[in-house]
Order: sequence, then structure tokens, then C-alpha cells
Amino acid sequence: GQQLNQSPQSMFIQEGEDVSMNCTSSSIFNTWLWYKQDPGEGPVLLIALYKAGELTSNGRLTAQFGITRKDSFLNISASIPSDVGIYFCAGYPNSGYALNFGKGTSLLVTP
Amino acid sequence: DTEVTQTPKHLVMGMTNKKSLKCEQHMGHRAMYWYKQKAKKPPELMFVYSYEKLSINESVPSRFSPECPNSSLLNLHLHALQPEDSALYLCASSQPHSTDTQYFGPGTRLTVL
Repeated sequence: GQQLNQSPQSMFIQEGEDVSMNCTSSSIFNTWLWYKQDPGEGPVLLIALYKAGELTSNGRLTAQFGITRKDSFLNISASIPSDVGIYFCAGYPNSGYALNFGKGTSLLVTP
Repeated sequence: DTEVTQTPKHLVMGMTNKKSLKCEQHMGHRAMYWYKQKAKKPPELMFVYSYEKLSINESVPSRFSPECPNSSLLNLHLHALQPEDSALYLCASSQPHSTDTQYFGPGTRLTVL
């Protein structure tokens, strides 16, 4: 499948700080999804984006579907310790059937 | 309800054993998926079922055998596995359209001795 470039690879922040991570692709995507995964658990859907330019919030989380349809970002405001985990971006390319994943951003939050 | 359930949570098996992983969803989704995930890596697609028929097999070895008995259930039969098959096995479901959101189960942690 299409490789998504997700950055940063890891983040180590203090509680209360804001976090930003993004995903880029060399080709157009139709859907962008953001998941959070805790150790030993399955990915949990955070936000789904379906239209270019779409900006969607879920509590302290905000994500956007890039205008070019080749990128997406996820912001977390006022981080708390339970935000710790691995965040994956995923998307469906314009051509192709499989959900493509980024390599993940590992987030650590210190109290 | 966006719940996908998987059993067992953990499984340890020898290389000569036969075991099965089970997945269930009651969201009315008509596409179901098996993924394999190694530590600190993204999930890798193994199989896709659409309307209870196998539509995609990502060149998975025959020691993994999927089965979809009905629209709510998905099984993965395991036989003669290798230690390198140890991983987290994830089930997911969605509507069978190419852009629909996939919902994942909690996974089965498989260890092959």
C-alpha cells in the first residue's frame, strides 16, 4: 500500500502542553482517520475526515483534512497523562482498496 | 454501538497446535478484516471479507485460514504456526465501501512457542 509519512515519530511532553502531529502522502487520499492505541489493545478511532478542508473536533482533539488531499494533522490541546499512547494516521488512497497506515507517533506525557 | 469483540484475549500455542481466533460485531457492517500487528509497527492487512465472501488475501501463508460463518462473525484458524507469527491479531469491521471507517477490536495477543 501507499506509505504515509507520519511525524514526529515520538514526543515527550509535560502535562498541559499542546501536541501536534501530521501525516503526508505523495498521492491523493479520500479519507483520513486518526486512531489511538494503548499497549496490548486495538486502535481506537479518534476522528474521521471525509472532505478536503474538513476540520473536526472531538473534545481536546482537532484534526484537519488537508486542502491538497495529501495530508492531515491532529492536534491535542492541554495534554493529560491518559493521552499517552501511539497515535496512527490512516487513510484510503484515491486508487486502492486498503487502509494505509502511518508508522505512528508515540506520545509520552509527564505529570 | 461501535464495538468489535475478539476472543481469546491471549493465546499461547505450540507449533503443532490448531487453534482459532474469533471476532464478532453487531454494527451491521458487511466488511470484516484481519490484521497482524508487530510491536511498535502499524497493523498489516491479512484478509478482507465483503458480504461474507473472501475478497482480499494479502499473500498470507496457508497456515492462516479465515472463515466468515455469517455477517457478524469472523474466525481465523491457525495451524502449524511459526514463532515469527507471534503478534497482536486485530479484527476490524466497516461498511463495504472503499472509504468507510474501520472499527477495530481489542486484539488477540498470540504467542507461538
